[in-house]
Amino acid sequence: AQTVTQSQPEMSVQEAETVTLSCTYDTSESDYYLFWYKQPPSRQMILVIRQEAYKQQNATENRFSVNFQKAAKSFSLKISDSQLGDAAMYFCAYRSAGGSQGNLIFGKGTKLSVKP
Amino acid sequence: NAGVTQTPKFRILKIGQSMTLQCTQDMNHNYMYWYRQDPGMGLKLIYYSVGAGITDKGEVPNGYNVSRSTTEDFPLRLELAAPSQTSVYFCASSYSGPRSYNEQFFGPGTRLTVL
Repeated sequence: AQTVTQSQPEMSVQEAETVTLSCTYDTSESDYYLFWYKQPPSRQMILVIRQEAYKQQNATENRFSVNFQKAAKSFSLKISDSQLGDAAMYFCAYRSAGGSQGNLIFGKGTKLSVKP
Repeated sequence: NAGVTQTPKFRILKIGQSMTLQCTQDMNHNYMYWYRQDPGMGLKLIYYSVGAGITDKGEVPNGYNVSRSTTEDFPLRLELAAPSQTSVYFCASSYSGPRSYNEQFFGPGTRLTVL
């Protein structure tokens, strides 16, 4: 079974600085997708960025980028120029490209605080 | 488009009571999911559906039932509520096709407390 591990329960960053959130996963599959979701206090789950395992190029979405290391099974999220609105829980998630479920397997999350 | 809507937003149940959490999506997605999120944890899959009339168990299905009579609706039924079912429940939907990301869109969640 696949597992997702986020080893940082909490992180803090100064406004305008850069922070990196860690995620590792365990799988025997070669084809899969990885995601980062943001959950602000409103509880809404918001997709931040996604990565296909067969693509070597790291995904980027504005201030958010990932460092995808397939051999190391690592998928970290870098937030540049941090803003107060980035404060939230961040969840790393895995989805198999095969099978019929299509469900996401989530890590336990990292709570990010942004200091003004 | 409203996306994925869930009702109610909050609910308190007594042990042994039953209730249905409603979920509706207007994006014509074929896949729908129910997750629960316990404090300090990520989301865990309860049930999922790949289309109208087809449902299957996820990781934590005990104590729950689902049905999918239409593409839009995917209600979650709690029978004989127990304190262990105190959680936040999320409904999600996605389109699954060849090489699609199957990006899941989430509803706002229902906070359920069983006392």
